[in-house]
Amino acid sequence: KAGVTQTPRYLIKTRGQQVTLSCSPISGHRSVSWYQQTPGQGLQFLFEYFSETQRNKGNFPGRFSGRQFSNSRSEMNVSTLELGDSALYLCASSRDRDHRTQYFGPGTRLLVL
Amino acid sequence: AQTVTQSQPEMSVQEAETVTLSCTYDTSESDYYLFWYKQPPSRQMILVIRQEAYKQQNATENRFSVNFQKAAKSFSLKISDSQLGDAAMYFCAYRSGGGATNKLIFGTGTLLAVQP
Repeated sequence: KAGVTQTPRYLIKTRGQQVTLSCSPISGHRSVSWYQQTPGQGLQFLFEYFSETQRNKGNFPGRFSGRQFSNSRSEMNVSTLELGDSALYLCASSRDRDHRTQYFGPGTRLLVL
Repeated sequence: AQTVTQSQPEMSVQEAETVTLSCTYDTSESDYYLFWYKQPPSRQMILVIRQEAYKQQNATENRFSVNFQKAAKSFSLKISDSQLGDAAMYFCAYRSGGGATNKLIFGTGTLLAVQP
């Protein structure tokens, strides 16, 4: 069974631009969560989706948004990029909304110049 | 709010030796899960071991085992017979039980070096 895939793997943007990151969960998994990883702040929860509904949201500004499609694939969007948005963005999927184990993708590394 | 603390930013172990990574957490919940994740230089986060709070027995997975002390809110990871491939950043994580969320709360990580 294929693992969690994230595209693109690397991205370079400039301040003020917007970016969309994609996450395809493991087949059959319906829950997707997003995390931001930076050297300064560590791993921080962004949001969580289950069956196309956002279940939980972390403490990030409204520039960060996401959605989930009927096939469970998820996208996150960051508008008006800032230098501080440079990070590794990790996606994790689990089989359902209360499953004990989450599986992570390889991440998308975003560099904002 | 729940918090997870890893007080050892870096650790080093000789190949074939045993090392213990520390983690403490704070919560008022009685139903929760604890995890250790490994993140090698490739950056892919890999689940090492999981512990359910309602289980008194410590979880084990091959060379990896935990010492779960619920009253002390401590959750340490023991790696036996360390191998070069164990070198990575290790994160302790907490997840509430009850089904309301899959959100993981991570500690700051411990960078483990394995010396040949």
